Amino acid sequence: GESVGLHLPTLSVQEGDNSIINCAYSNSASDYFIWYKQESGKGPQFIIDIRSNMDKRQGQRVTVLLNKTVKHLSLQIAATQPGDSAVYFCAENIRSSGNTPLVFGKGTRLSVIA
Amino acid sequence: EPEVTQTPSHQVTQMGQEVILRCVPISNHLYFYWYRQILGQKVEFLVSFYNNEISEKSEIFDDQFSVERPDGSNFTLKIRSTKLEDSAMYFCARDTGTGRHEQYFGPGTRLTVT
Repeated sequence: GESVGLHLPTLSVQEGDNSIINCAYSNSASDYFIWYKQESGKGPQFIIDIRSNMDKRQGQRVTVLLNKTVKHLSLQIAATQPGDSAVYFCAENIRSSGNTPLVFGKGTRLSVIA
Repeated sequence: EPEVTQTPSHQVTQMGQEVILRCVPISNHLYFYWYRQILGQKVEFLVSFYNNEISEKSEIFDDQFSVERPDGSNFTLKIRSTKLEDSAMYFCARDTGTGRHEQYFGPGTRLTVT
C-alpha cells in the first residue's frame, strides 16, 4: 500500500498569501522527510527536509512542520509568489541510514493567482 | 549543489525497441538512483546503484531493465523491449555523497513509446 499521500490534489492561492500544503504518511518508522517542488517539464527540486526528531524547520520563505502523533507533514510557503506555482511532493525515507530510496506522495498542484 | 544531467531530453521509440537513457554526474558521486514518473502520477523508485553495482531495486525494475556505468562516468538505464506502459519521465538522481538523505534530481528524459 502507499505509505505517503496528500490531502489536497490542488490548491489555489492569491499572490502574497501564505500557502499550506499537507501530507499524511502511514509508516511510523519513517525517519526523514523531504519536500520537493516540480515545475512543468522539470525534475523534482529539493526544497526543505526534516528529520523525525524535529517538529519544525524553517528555510527561506518555507517552513516544514512534522506532527508524528498524527503522522502529518506540512509545507508552509510565506508570501506566495507566481514562481511558486508548481506541483509539490512530499517524500519519505523509511530507514535511518542515508543512500536509500525515497517514497513519494502523489503531489499537490499549487496555483498562484496574480 | 548541482544536479546530474540527462540525455536525451526526449526519446520516442516504437514498442519492442531497446532504449538507453543516460545520466551524467557532475562530479564523482557514488550513489545514483533511477526514478520513473508516469504522466500525472507520483515519482516511483526503480533502482539504486552504488560502486558499479545494483544496491536496491523495486518491483517495477524487472528483467526488461538494466543499469550500467560502462565507462566509469556515464550511468545508463536500458529498457530492452519497450512497452506502451513504459512511457514516462525517467529521472536520475544522486545523493550528496555524505551519507545524508537528500537526493538531487536531473531534468529527466521523457520516453514516449508508440
